[in-house]
Amino acid sequence: AQSVSQHNHHVILSEAASLELGCNYSYGGTVNLFWYVQYPGQHLQLLLKYFSGDPLVKGIKGFEAEFIKSKFSFNLRKPSVQWSDTAEYFCAALISGGYNKLIFGAGTRLAVHP
Amino acid sequence: ETGVTQTPRHLVMGMTNKKSLKCEQHLGHNAMYWYKQSAKKPLELMFVYNFKEQTENNSVPSRFSPECPNSSHLFLHLHTLQPEDSALYLCASSHGLDTGELFFGEGSRLTVL
Repeated sequence: AQSVSQHNHHVILSEAASLELGCNYSYGGTVNLFWYVQYPGQHLQLLLKYFSGDPLVKGIKGFEAEFIKSKFSFNLRKPSVQWSDTAEYFCAALISGGYNKLIFGAGTRLAVHP
Repeated sequence: ETGVTQTPRHLVMGMTNKKSLKCEQHLGHNAMYWYKQSAKKPLELMFVYNFKEQTENNSVPSRFSPECPNSSHLFLHLHTLQPEDSALYLCASSHGLDTGELFFGEGSRLTVL
Protein backbone atom coordinates (compact mmCIF):
# COMPACT_ATOMS: atom_id res chain seq x y z
CA ALA A 1 0.00 0.00 0.00
CA GLN A 2 1.10 3.55 -0.64
CA SER A 3 2.37 5.24 2.50
CA VAL A 4 4.61 7.96 3.86
CA SER A 5 6.80 7.29 6.89
CA GLN A 6 8.38 9.85 9.16
CA HIS A 7 10.99 8.33 11.42
CA ASN A 8 10.91 10.70 14.35
CA HIS A 9 7.76 11.64 16.23
CA HIS A 10 9.49 14.15 18.48
CA VAL A 11 12.72 16.10 18.02
CA ILE A 12 14.18 18.51 20.56
CA LEU A 13 16.97 20.90 19.55
CA SER A 14 18.72 23.95 20.84
CA GLU A 15 18.78 27.11 18.78
CA ALA A 16 21.49 27.15 16.07
CA ALA A 17 21.57 23.35 15.91
CA SER A 18 21.21 21.69 12.53
CA LEU A 19 18.00 19.88 11.65
CA GLU A 20 17.26 16.85 9.52
CA LEU A 21 13.84 15.19 9.52
CA GLY A 22 13.49 11.89 7.75
CA CYS A 23 10.75 11.00 5.28
CA ASN A 24 10.34 7.87 3.18
CA TYR A 25 7.56 6.95 0.83
CA SER A 26 6.46 3.64 -0.57
CA TYR A 27 5.31 3.93 -4.16
CA GLY A 28 7.05 2.78 -7.31
CA GLY A 29 5.48 5.18 -9.78
CA THR A 30 5.65 8.91 -10.37
CA VAL A 31 5.44 10.81 -7.14
CA ASN A 32 5.58 14.45 -6.18
CA LEU A 33 6.72 15.30 -2.67
CA PHE A 34 5.92 17.99 -0.15
CA TRP A 35 6.66 19.21 3.32
CA TYR A 36 3.94 20.99 5.24
CA VAL A 37 4.33 22.78 8.57
CA GLN A 38 1.83 23.48 11.33
CA TYR A 39 2.90 26.17 13.81
CA PRO A 40 1.24 26.08 17.25
CA GLY A 41 -2.36 27.17 16.97
CA GLN A 42 -2.15 27.72 13.23
CA HIS A 43 -3.27 25.92 10.10
CA LEU A 44 -1.21 23.52 8.03
CA GLN A 45 0.74 25.32 5.32
CA LEU A 46 3.10 24.36 2.53
CA LEU A 47 6.82 24.62 3.29
CA LEU A 48 8.27 23.30 0.02
CA LYS A 49 7.57 20.94 -2.84
CA TYR A 50 9.35 18.76 -5.39
CA PHE A 51 7.88 17.98 -8.78
CA SER A 52 10.86 17.46 -11.07
CA GLY A 53 14.29 18.85 -11.92
CA ASP A 54 16.89 19.65 -9.28
CA PRO A 55 16.41 17.13 -6.47
CA LEU A 56 17.51 19.72 -3.92
CA VAL A 57 14.54 21.95 -3.26
CA LYS A 58 14.63 25.17 -1.31
CA GLY A 59 11.61 26.42 0.60
CA ILE A 60 10.65 29.24 2.88
CA LYS A 61 12.49 30.23 6.06
CA GLY A 62 15.78 28.59 5.07
CA PHE A 63 14.42 25.06 4.79
CA GLU A 64 15.50 22.68 2.05
CA ALA A 65 14.78 19.07 1.15
CA GLU A 66 16.56 16.54 -1.00
CA PHE A 67 14.79 13.94 -3.12
CA ILE A 68 16.81 10.72 -3.36
CA LYS A 69 14.93 8.43 -5.70
CA SER A 70 17.06 5.36 -4.98
CA LYS A 71 16.26 5.65 -1.28
CA PHE A 72 12.61 6.70 -1.72
CA SER A 73 13.45 9.56 0.61
CA PHE A 74 12.72 13.28 0.88
CA ASN A 75 14.44 14.51 4.04
CA LEU A 76 13.96 18.03 5.32
CA ARG A 77 16.97 20.05 6.46
CA LYS A 78 17.86 23.38 7.97
CA PRO A 79 21.44 24.29 8.91
CA SER A 80 20.56 26.42 11.93
CA VAL A 81 17.15 26.29 13.61
CA GLN A 82 15.45 29.09 15.48
CA TRP A 83 12.96 29.06 18.35
CA SER A 84 10.30 30.15 15.84
CA ASP A 85 10.76 26.86 13.95
CA THR A 86 8.97 25.06 16.77
CA ALA A 87 6.13 23.33 14.95
CA GLU A 88 4.89 20.03 13.61
CA TYR A 89 6.25 19.01 10.22
CA PHE A 90 4.42 16.71 7.82
CA CYS A 91 5.85 14.98 4.80
CA ALA A 92 3.39 14.22 1.98
CA ALA A 93 3.39 12.45 -1.35
CA LEU A 94 1.08 13.10 -4.30
CA ILE A 95 0.39 9.69 -5.76
CA SER A 96 -0.59 9.70 -9.41
CA GLY A 97 -3.46 7.48 -10.39
CA GLY A 98 -6.96 7.65 -11.70
CA TYR A 99 -7.39 10.55 -9.33
CA ASN A 100 -4.31 11.93 -7.63
CA LYS A 101 -4.16 11.49 -3.85
CA LEU A 102 -2.09 13.46 -1.35
CA ILE A 103 -0.92 11.07 1.37
CA PHE A 104 0.59 12.39 4.59
CA GLY A 105 3.00 10.99 7.13
CA ALA A 106 2.26 11.02 10.87
CA GLY A 107 4.22 14.20 11.47
CA THR A 108 7.30 15.16 13.49
CA ARG A 109 6.90 17.53 16.38
CA LEU A 110 9.95 19.81 16.64
CA ALA A 111 10.69 21.78 19.80
CA VAL A 112 13.51 24.31 19.65
CA HIS A 113 14.81 25.60 22.96
CA PRO A 114 16.43 29.04 23.19
CA GLU B 1 -6.14 34.01 7.32
CA THR B 2 -5.93 31.06 4.96
CA GLY B 3 -8.92 31.68 2.75
CA VAL B 4 -10.46 28.46 4.08
CA THR B 5 -12.87 28.90 6.96
CA GLN B 6 -14.21 26.07 9.09
CA THR B 7 -17.09 26.22 11.57
CA PRO B 8 -17.55 25.37 14.31
CA ARG B 9 -14.01 25.34 15.65
CA HIS B 10 -15.04 23.09 18.53
CA LEU B 11 -17.91 20.65 18.79
CA VAL B 12 -18.96 18.28 21.54
CA MET B 13 -21.68 15.79 20.75
CA GLY B 14 -23.25 12.66 22.10
CA MET B 15 -23.33 9.44 20.15
CA THR B 16 -26.98 9.90 19.23
CA ASN B 17 -26.70 13.50 18.04
CA LYS B 18 -26.69 14.79 14.49
CA LYS B 19 -24.42 17.71 13.69
CA SER B 20 -22.64 19.18 10.69
CA LEU B 21 -19.24 20.69 10.03
CA LYS B 22 -19.00 23.48 7.49
CA CYS B 23 -16.14 24.59 5.29
CA GLU B 24 -16.00 27.59 2.97
CA GLN B 25 -13.16 28.64 0.70
CA HIS B 26 -12.66 32.08 -0.86
CA LEU B 27 -9.77 31.13 -3.12
CA GLY B 28 -11.61 30.23 -6.29
CA HIS B 29 -10.40 26.64 -6.05
CA ASN B 30 -12.10 23.70 -7.71
CA ALA B 31 -11.19 20.87 -5.36
CA MET B 32 -12.09 20.46 -1.70
CA TYR B 33 -11.08 17.83 0.83
CA TRP B 34 -11.90 16.46 4.28
CA TYR B 35 -9.03 15.04 6.32
CA LYS B 36 -9.10 13.52 9.82
CA GLN B 37 -6.18 14.32 12.11
CA SER B 38 -5.69 12.08 15.15
CA ALA B 39 -2.75 12.20 17.52
CA LYS B 40 0.35 10.32 16.36
CA LYS B 41 -1.36 9.08 13.18
CA PRO B 42 -1.00 10.25 9.60
CA LEU B 43 -3.61 12.62 8.31
CA GLU B 44 -6.36 10.43 6.93
CA LEU B 45 -7.91 11.48 3.66
CA MET B 46 -11.68 11.05 3.93
CA PHE B 47 -13.34 12.65 0.94
CA VAL B 48 -12.35 14.60 -2.16
CA TYR B 49 -14.60 16.71 -4.35
CA ASN B 50 -13.60 18.19 -7.70
CA PHE B 51 -16.01 20.61 -9.37
CA LYS B 52 -18.68 19.47 -6.85
CA GLU B 53 -18.29 15.81 -7.83
CA GLN B 54 -17.02 13.31 -5.30
CA THR B 55 -13.83 11.69 -6.60
CA GLU B 56 -12.66 9.91 -3.46
CA ASN B 57 -14.33 8.14 -0.58
CA ASN B 58 -11.55 6.56 1.38
CA SER B 59 -13.61 3.77 2.94
CA VAL B 60 -15.18 6.17 5.38
CA PRO B 61 -18.03 4.81 7.56
CA SER B 62 -21.49 5.91 6.50
CA ARG B 63 -21.98 7.81 9.78
CA PHE B 64 -19.93 10.50 8.00
CA SER B 65 -21.82 12.00 5.08
CA PRO B 66 -20.25 14.71 2.91
CA GLU B 67 -22.08 17.29 0.88
CA CYS B 68 -20.66 19.72 -1.67
CA PRO B 69 -23.37 22.05 -3.02
CA ASN B 70 -20.86 24.16 -4.96
CA SER B 71 -17.11 24.55 -5.39
CA SER B 72 -16.87 26.98 -2.48
CA HIS B 73 -18.71 25.02 0.21
CA LEU B 74 -18.21 21.62 1.76
CA PHE B 75 -20.10 20.02 4.61
CA LEU B 76 -19.54 16.95 6.72
CA HIS B 77 -22.74 15.63 8.27
CA LEU B 78 -22.27 13.56 11.40
CA HIS B 79 -24.67 11.11 13.00
CA THR B 80 -24.44 8.27 15.52
CA LEU B 81 -20.72 8.79 15.92
CA GLN B 82 -18.44 6.76 18.17
CA PRO B 83 -15.95 8.07 20.76
CA GLU B 84 -13.08 6.97 18.49
CA ASP B 85 -14.32 9.50 15.95
CA SER B 86 -13.08 12.27 18.24
CA ALA B 87 -10.38 14.11 16.28
CA LEU B 88 -9.52 17.30 14.45
CA TYR B 89 -11.31 17.45 11.10
CA LEU B 90 -9.48 19.49 8.52
CA CYS B 91 -10.93 20.97 5.38
CA ALA B 92 -8.66 21.93 2.52
CA SER B 93 -8.94 23.23 -1.01
CA SER B 94 -6.73 23.29 -4.05
CA HIS B 95 -6.83 24.69 -7.55
CA GLY B 96 -6.97 21.20 -9.02
CA LEU B 97 -6.27 17.59 -8.13
CA ASP B 98 -2.76 17.53 -9.55
CA THR B 99 -1.07 20.37 -7.67
CA GLY B 100 -0.59 18.80 -4.23
CA GLU B 101 -0.65 22.33 -2.86
CA LEU B 102 -3.52 22.32 -0.45
CA PHE B 103 -4.76 25.27 1.55
CA PHE B 104 -6.05 24.16 4.92
CA GLY B 105 -8.55 25.57 7.35
CA GLU B 106 -7.81 25.66 11.05
CA GLY B 107 -9.92 22.59 11.69
CA SER B 108 -12.95 21.60 13.71
CA ARG B 109 -12.10 19.83 16.96
CA LEU B 110 -14.74 17.15 17.51
CA THR B 111 -15.31 15.36 20.80
CA VAL B 112 -17.79 12.49 20.91
CA LEU B 113 -18.99 11.56 24.38
